[in-house]
Amino acid sequence: SQQGEEDPQALSIQEGENATMNCSYKTSINNLQWYRQNSGRGLVHLILIRSNEREKHSGRLRVTLDTSKKSSSLLITASRAADTASYFCATDVQSGYSTLTFGKGTMLLVSP
Amino acid sequence: AAGVIQSPRHLIKEKRETATLKCYPIPRHDTVYWYQQGPGQDPQFLISFYEKMQSDKGSIPDRFSAQQFSDYHSELNMSSLELGDSALYFCASSRRQGYGYTFGSGTRLTVV
Repeated sequence: SQQGEEDPQALSIQEGENATMNCSYKTSINNLQWYRQNSGRGLVHLILIRSNEREKHSGRLRVTLDTSKKSSSLLITASRAADTASYFCATDVQSGYSTLTFGKGTMLLVSP
Repeated sequence: AAGVIQSPRHLIKEKRETATLKCYPIPRHDTVYWYQQGPGQDPQFLISFYEKMQSDKGSIPDRFSAQQFSDYHSELNMSSLELGDSALYFCASSRRQGYGYTFGSGTRLTVV
């Protein structure tokens, strides 16, 4: 089964609203990363949070990590139509070489 | 800044044919990864190379092979292609363990 599971699978909001996406995982991790993907395009790295960090900010993005619950959330504040994309969390697990395992993603639609 | 370069961008092959995908990582990145993303699916890890040696292997079929060359570019070779191999194939590179990945724009393979 997937290491990272996201919810919701799809999210539809209006411009200016906040969007929150959640990710759960199963095994211990080195870090957790969030990526964005526009339809049929490449994955863009958004933010990385290490296992010893609880919260991280980057512009309008805020990521939290709760290792006791094995979960993370991505908050996009004051969303824009250009934020419309799929968002994936990916975990870098604690074994051997770095390898990312992706969750199923949340499709975010921001309407003007 | 230079990104991860993948070629070709699009490829159409018939069943049972062979395909070769190329990836040029960001200079001085020591690890290259290959991912497969089917329609509406999350990216699935195939294989990775650290300093030109295979470092990890995921759900890569035996019909596929990959290598990294002395100039650090990598090739994914796919033989006896099947309809189910139709997907986006991404290459990514990272500077060091535990850092974010930079993905290429992907190669869209269509098997007919």
